[in-house]
Amino acid sequence: SQQGEEDPQALSIQEGENATMNCSYKTSINNLQWYRQNSGRGLVHLILIRSNEREKHSGRLRVTLDTSKKSSSLLITASRAADTASYFCATDEGDFVFGPGTRLSVLP
Amino acid sequence: GAVVSQHPSWVICKSGTSVKIECRSLDFQATTMFWYRQFPKQSLMLMATSNEGSKATYEQGVEKDKFLINHASLTLSTLTVTSAHPEDSSFYICSARGTETFKQFFGPGTRLTVL
Repeated sequence: SQQGEEDPQALSIQEGENATMNCSYKTSINNLQWYRQNSGRGLVHLILIRSNEREKHSGRLRVTLDTSKKSSSLLITASRAADTASYFCATDEGDFVFGPGTRLSVLP
Repeated sequence: GAVVSQHPSWVICKSGTSVKIECRSLDFQATTMFWYRQFPKQSLMLMATSNEGSKATYEQGVEKDKFLINHASLTLSTLTVTSAHPEDSSFYICSARGTETFKQFFGPGTRLTVL
């Protein structure tokens, strides 16, 4: 198993702005997933992107994957206060291992 | 970064037996630990949250008498699957959170197979 590592570790933006978080990993993957976790709550699965995909959209979320750079980005457009949470990426080599996450604060 | 370990990394057991999984924070004090379960090709499901010295808080639908959680110290939490059945076969992941509440570190997971 390998660990995804998110960057930045913390991000504060104003409501309405876009938020971009990055994730890097070390070796080959089958897919990469992004999760959100609200304070004190469990993880919520956001989006999965496969290794043969370069971009994927889901509502206000856009995920890109660059396997040559072993990195992924999560873009949240038109952010809302409710988007305040920690965001994790995880890579799949059979089992999922998570990085420490990016803490996003969206200020009203 | 902080390290969280789980033991064992995998276990195979017979139906009806109990299995204990350990989750340890190796270089920080984990005031809160979370236990997740993940079935194949599905996302993680939070099972319970445990605070050191307190009873665990279980999520709806998780049987607390079947999944016993103990968080007796700031570096160790255990999950015991009692009277395991084949449907309990899953990947169990713990995570630990210290005083910096926005940082959470995940263990490598334990693969449980019940025959």
